[in-house]
Amino acid sequence: DTAVSQTPKYLVTQMGNDKSIKCEQNLGHDTMYWYKQDSKKFLKIMFSYNNKELIINETVPNRFSPKSPDKAHLNLHINSLELGDSAVYFCASSIRDRDTEAFFGQGTRLTVV
Amino acid sequence: AQKVTQAQTEISVVEKEDVTLDCVYETRDTTYYLFWYKQPPSGELVFLIRRNSFDEQNEISGRYSWNFQKSTSSFNFTITASQVVDSAVYFCALSENTGNQFYFGTGTSLTVIP
Repeated sequence: DTAVSQTPKYLVTQMGNDKSIKCEQNLGHDTMYWYKQDSKKFLKIMFSYNNKELIINETVPNRFSPKSPDKAHLNLHINSLELGDSAVYFCASSIRDRDTEAFFGQGTRLTVV
Repeated sequence: AQKVTQAQTEISVVEKEDVTLDCVYETRDTTYYLFWYKQPPSGELVFLIRRNSFDEQNEISGRYSWNFQKSTSSFNFTITASQVVDSAVYFCALSENTGNQFYFGTGTSLTVIP
């Protein structure tokens, strides 16, 4: 069974479109994250949710809107896509007790053309 | 300020050589957690090891070993007798006691040449 699964794995879309990336974890974790990995491989936190509550919202354009319908899901919706949004987006989860690692999804490679 | 620094951007070694990846972190918390992740060319992020700030015992696991030194705020990772399959980007990460996120270094790209 996949621990953290995100779909789709690849997403190619035109500028101006709206798209969503879904993430689900079956580990019983209480905290979920979205990270963005740019072309230089730098991993930057975008959002962090604990028990469905937003606890981190880094400087991200408000075109990006996360939604957590329950503790096991954290979806990412992106409006009016721009070329600069092209990146790999990773979903992750962990337990709030800090002595645990984050488990990552396989990543979604978003390409905006 | 960068909380996790991986000064080595790219390293190339010949197969069977040993290689050490450096990681220096910065935090004011007395309780914190350190991690190493591997990202092979296929793109997934694979967890390798975690350490908490109270556990400075170094560890060896097969060809991998880790050296945690609080005095120098370093958490280095060594691969002994490197193999081509070790070629990947390696990330060091830090989680603080507030625990709201994992801070990642910029990664070290390791290439093992056959």
